[in-house]
Amino acid sequence: DADVTQTPRNRITKTGKRIMLECSQTKGHDRMYWYRQDPGLGLRLIYYSFDVKDINKGEISDGYSVSRQAQAKFSLSLESAIPNQTALYFCATSDDTGKSYNEQFFGPGTRLTVL
Amino acid sequence: AQRVTQPEKLLSVFKGAPVELKCNYSYSGSPELFWYVQYSRQRLQLLLRHISRESIKGFTADLNKGETSFHLKKPFAQEEDSAMYYCALSGRAGNMLTFGGGTRLMVKP
Repeated sequence: DADVTQTPRNRITKTGKRIMLECSQTKGHDRMYWYRQDPGLGLRLIYYSFDVKDINKGEISDGYSVSRQAQAKFSLSLESAIPNQTALYFCATSDDTGKSYNEQFFGPGTRLTVL
Repeated sequence: AQRVTQPEKLLSVFKGAPVELKCNYSYSGSPELFWYVQYSRQRLQLLLRHISRESIKGFTADLNKGETSFHLKKPFAQEEDSAMYYCALSGRAGNMLTFGGGTRLMVKP
């Protein structure tokens, strides 16, 4: 089945460590997104990419960086993790048909805890 | 700037009761509105979008531009409707979604 996968699913790390979260998709979609989910705040966009050569900052990009290694892969890095980056992180993809309301397909999430 | 507000963090109803999950938005243009749902141990997924004017799993939502609202309604709640519901807005081309804070719906037997 065409799908969106995330690795790792759970990660506990210490303050100051560099962490990479990976996202892969077999849907053939050009557009990929990284969100973080915090209780009461919903999902907030960190970075997004419309194709391999296009990377854009989202609402809360400070402290994060991304890499679009291929159409199917979009990685999120925390250069120096801090405790307030403890959250549930979601990757999503969508098709590019020129419409403004393409459905987004979400991965299962990565639960990151920074001690 | 675009913003989505879901005033209720938790909504608890009994099975068979009507349910309404509120969503208000602010956007200066013509928005596209969506409801996404996350069932326990499942992924976040699209429930419905206003432009389709559809009913999914008995849920409907009407875009009210005058009140800038997009409330989700179901006349008779079922236990399997228990989930986290997010209202989302796309305000311009490129499918950038702004999500509300979410409402957890609990349907009691």
